[in-house]
Amino acid sequence: DQQVKQNSPSLSVQEGRISILNCDYTNSMFDYFLWYKKYPAEGPTFLISISSIKDKNEDGRFTVFLNKSAKHLSLHIVPSQPGDSAVYFCAASAYNNDMRFGAGTRLTVKP
Amino acid sequence: DTEVTQTPKHLVMGMTNKKSLKCEQHMGHRAMYWYKQKAKKPPELMFVYSYEKLSINESVPSRFSPECPNSSLLNLHLHALQPEDSALYLCASSQVPPGEAGGYTFGSGTRLTVV
Repeated sequence: DQQVKQNSPSLSVQEGRISILNCDYTNSMFDYFLWYKKYPAEGPTFLISISSIKDKNEDGRFTVFLNKSAKHLSLHIVPSQPGDSAVYFCAASAYNNDMRFGAGTRLTVKP
Repeated sequence: DTEVTQTPKHLVMGMTNKKSLKCEQHMGHRAMYWYKQKAKKPPELMFVYSYEKLSINESVPSRFSPECPNSSLLNLHLHALQPEDSALYLCASSQVPPGEAGGYTFGSGTRLTVV
C-alpha cells in the first residue's frame, strides 16, 4: 500500500524554466512533508520541507506547496539548472517518526 | 558534526555469513532509522528506534536484527541473508518528533551484495 505517490517517473525541462514535481499522499496522519534529491549510490539529500500547518515554504529557487484538502504537494524549482538533474523523492512523516517515500521522479534539465 | 556515518560503504557476504552494518550520529538526534533501497526504487522503511527503543518494525524478516546500543549508534546485524537482500541500506536520524528545517539526516549508505 503506497501511502506516498509520485505518479510521474520522469520530467524533462529546459534550463531556466520552471520544474514542477508533484506528490500525493493518502495517510491523513502525515503532518510533515519533505523533498529529497538523490544521486545513485548515495543517501538522499534534504532539500526542503513543510509542516501541515503551512501551505507554502520557500528556500531560494525551491518552493514547496501543500494542499491538505487534496492531500497533494508540489515542488517548484525556478529557474531550473542542469545541476538540478537527479531523482527527487517526496517523503511524508507522521508524529511517530514513521516516514515514507514516494517512488521518485527523475528530473532532467537540458542546457 | 552534522553527519550520519555508515560503515562499511560496501559489503559482500555469503549466505551463511554473519555481518553487521553500523551507523553513528552525534547530532543529539533521538530517533534512528534503517531503510532499504533497491535499484530504481524508493527507500523502504525497515526499523525506527525512538529514544533507543524499537518503535516501528515493518515486518522485516528475522535475518535482519537491529540494535541500538546508545543514542548515537545503530547497528543492523545480518545472518543467513538471501541474494534478493542485496541492496543499498540507508541509516537516518532525526529529532523526536522530526520538526521542520529538514530534521532527517541520511547517511551515504552501505551497498550490500549477498552471494
